[in-house]
Amino acid sequence: GAVVSQHPSRVICKSGTSVKIECRSLDFQATTMFWYRQFPKQSLMLMATSNEGSKATYEQGVEKDKFLINHASLTLSTLTVTSAHPEDSSFYICSAREGFPDTQYFGPGTRLTVL
Amino acid sequence: GENVEQHPSTLSVQEGDSAVIKCTYSDSASNYFPWYKQELGKGPQLIIDIRSNVGEKKDQRIAVTLNKTAKHFSLHITETQPEDSAVYFCAASYTNAGKSTFGDGTTLTVKP
Repeated sequence: GAVVSQHPSRVICKSGTSVKIECRSLDFQATTMFWYRQFPKQSLMLMATSNEGSKATYEQGVEKDKFLINHASLTLSTLTVTSAHPEDSSFYICSAREGFPDTQYFGPGTRLTVL
Repeated sequence: GENVEQHPSTLSVQEGDSAVIKCTYSDSASNYFPWYKQELGKGPQLIIDIRSNVGEKKDQRIAVTLNKTAKHFSLHITETQPEDSAVYFCAASYTNAGKSTFGDGTTLTVKP
């Protein structure tokens, strides 16, 4: 099956710093990538949808200036959490989708802890 | 927009028994229904999916059924094993929709 990687798997940072998370589709070209946030024992909360070469579409309530998304190529999307605060601590998961069929494949997730 | 309801929220079965998880959706335009398994600390893994042009799909011990009229679909796991213990999510979307709507998840525990 299709493989999506994320890096780093875990990151601990100080409050006020920025953190970048990479999401790569390893064996297919992803026309669309998604970024999710997941709190303990809860479902996946979609943060934004990004298409290669265009601006990301953010879900209501998600600050686009705080969560910067760049989809620079068909195999790479990045999420930058700017000026991170403890409330940004969470499990961040990306997914990637080929044009057709429209199956989403998820990365392994990144655990962010802001001290 | 689409709304997906999933139940039960928790399910405990004895090893070897069957497990069934059900989801209902609201948007009749939805035509793609995947199921994901998420183990603790990992990302969701696609285990089976079904499109609206079929009513049932099977892959070894896992099967999914779809009732388009009633707008519900179910995941069936037979001969459960302890390694099936995980959180299972259903989702619904339609072609070119841009995003999927996920259920709230079911925590399955298989007791040895």
